[in-house]
Amino acid sequence: AQSVTQPDIHITVSEGASLELRCNYSYGATPYLFWYVQSPGQGLQLLLKYFSGDTLVQGIKGFEAEFKRSQSSFNLRKPSVHWSDAAEYFCAVGGVTGGGNKLTFGTGTQLKVEL
Amino acid sequence: GAVVSQHPSWVICKSGTSVKIECRSLDFQATTMFWYRQFPKQSLMLMATSNEGSKATYEQGVEKDKFLINHASLTLSTLTVTSAHPEDSSFYICSASSGLGNQPQHFGDGTRLSIL
Repeated sequence: AQSVTQPDIHITVSEGASLELRCNYSYGATPYLFWYVQSPGQGLQLLLKYFSGDTLVQGIKGFEAEFKRSQSSFNLRKPSVHWSDAAEYFCAVGGVTGGGNKLTFGTGTQLKVEL
Repeated sequence: GAVVSQHPSWVICKSGTSVKIECRSLDFQATTMFWYRQFPKQSLMLMATSNEGSKATYEQGVEKDKFLINHASLTLSTLTVTSAHPEDSSFYICSASSGLGNQPQHFGDGTRLSIL
């Protein structure tokens, strides 16, 4: 069965500082990996995705993530955090099922940005 | 592109009422739609997967007679919470995918359901 672990429930960084959110996955084959962001009371917005190819993936809003198969990780990074980045971040792993890519989400990491 | 509209965004109703939530893909054809439930400060729990023109596949523990899902077209899926009770109060989120294996899910903005 596929699973996702986000070890950090909460992270606080200062505005302008770098950010890394951790994600570890378990999946039997080559995974499809995603990072989503959720603002309070809203749905999820896709930040970036990895299917194959280059293991360093660029996303929207200046985010990037690196797929490391040997570590079963897909950590999200941003070199300089902005106050508007404060939100909940979800890592997800997906695989093809009979009806498209069914996702398993991690428990999320709440990012707080100090001004 | 890849916009998913979910309506209503907030609904408050009395216990025993049935509530319908709509999920529309506005600029792409959604072969597959997913319905999630999210409790406060928790992750998303998949309730069911629906493919256009066929019956939804429900996750273990989700009552299919309680949560009726219809996916009658490539752009619309509905979730009806029948005879809703206070314990059904939650944040419900839909997502849509073109159904191809390497296509991401695109999410609606969610519906806050409060049952009095």
